[in-house]
Amino acid sequence: SAVISQKPSRDICQRGTSLTIQCQVDSQVTMMFWYRQQPGQSLTLIATANQGSEATYESGFVIDKFPISRPNLTFSTLTVSNMSPEDSSIYLCSGLTGTYEQYFGPGTRLTVT
Amino acid sequence: SQQGEEDPQALSIQEGENATMNCSYKTSINNLQWYRQNSGRGLVHLILIRSNEREKHSGRLRVTLDTSKKSSSLLITASRAADTASYFCGIKVGGSEKLVFGKGTKLTVNP
Repeated sequence: SAVISQKPSRDICQRGTSLTIQCQVDSQVTMMFWYRQQPGQSLTLIATANQGSEATYESGFVIDKFPISRPNLTFSTLTVSNMSPEDSSIYLCSGLTGTYEQYFGPGTRLTVT
Repeated sequence: SQQGEEDPQALSIQEGENATMNCSYKTSINNLQWYRQNSGRGLVHLILIRSNEREKHSGRLRVTLDTSKKSSSLLITASRAADTASYFCGIKVGGSEKLVFGKGTKLTVNP
């Protein structure tokens, strides 16, 4: 299994500002992902974080809004840029292990005012 | 859509009863993974079942997979109040490493 930590656990931010979320995995994972969960909704994949190269974004998500870094196998960051109230969500980091199980971090609850 | 769809959307039972949740999907899959989410927190991994498996157990949890019907079920036996949570199935579609999720089943276990 993999243990995934995220910080911050929650934040309240003002419109127009940016927030960077950090994700740390305790063991090597083959892939890392970032998801968003809007209030009362399911999880939506934002992007796959690729080590040492640009992330692969899903339809509807762009690098300018959600820049992602993954400098090594066990660490990634997601930035939510130029925030608006519509960005209020839980953001979840996820890691895929070599046995194909996908684990999730505890999430970052973001509120934009 | 390749989403998994959980059914029912909400389920309320008494402590000690069994709870069954279902997940249906539309395309061929590599595996299917069940998760629990407590009140807006992260997802806790419960069980992974591969496309060539039919049933798996973990403690009070039993997961079945019927690829001919493109469906899976999660059974929680002898439920407890602490099982109150939302349950999601994540579908790993063939040829992709991504998991796609349905809207989940909200389970309430009344003491």
